[in-house]
Amino acid sequence: GEDVEQSLFLSVREGDSSVINCTYTDSSSTYLYWYKQEPGAGLQLLTYIFSNMDMKQDQRLTVLLNKKDKHLSLRIADTQTGDSAIYFCAEPNDYKLSFGAGTTVTVRA
Amino acid sequence: DTGVSQDPRHKITKRGQNVTFRCDPISEHNRLYWYRQTLGQGPEFLTYFQNEAQLEKSRLLSDRFSAERPKGSFSTLEIQRTEQGDSAMYLCASSVAGGLNEQFFGPGTRLTVL
Repeated sequence: GEDVEQSLFLSVREGDSSVINCTYTDSSSTYLYWYKQEPGAGLQLLTYIFSNMDMKQDQRLTVLLNKKDKHLSLRIADTQTGDSAIYFCAEPNDYKLSFGAGTTVTVRA
Repeated sequence: DTGVSQDPRHKITKRGQNVTFRCDPISEHNRLYWYRQTLGQGPEFLTYFQNEAQLEKSRLLSDRFSAERPKGSFSTLEIQRTEQGDSAMYLCASSVAGGLNEQFFGPGTRLTVL
């Protein structure tokens, strides 16, 4: 569970939807996580999904999980300037987390 | 409780010096983790404590690195004889065992080794 991969950059117009993709390695992961990191701040858990779910919706956030392809995505509806940040997907590896390199989302007016 | 705190937030040191960082986890969180994050990368696991016991250390943690959590509350991470390659953000996180095991992260200590 150490090779979590993400696309590195995403530029989106304010009000559009953002989709961030991630592939993970450990098919036995119970949960998969999305963390958000804003400049000068620590990582914050944004949302998570149980491995027995295909989809989870939480206000403007939608997480999709394709276990067959080990693919995870995060969709942010109606993207706002405050959504500009680095987004990390993470999978548990025993107690610790294995993170992707992060997707930098830039929201333009 | 205001969350995980780390001190200092920034540290600049010369190569060869020793540095020590402190992490105060959320009260009653029995698990504490140290990660290292370099520019353009996600956090990489360094070490993990359950209460005062250090249960796992990453291969990344060379002999120059040592971490302690003497009373099962705050933790320190010491780097001896710092090298320029040690320059990074050092993140601390804490969690409660079981369930989601959500890890709450501190703001990090940014180390620059000149």
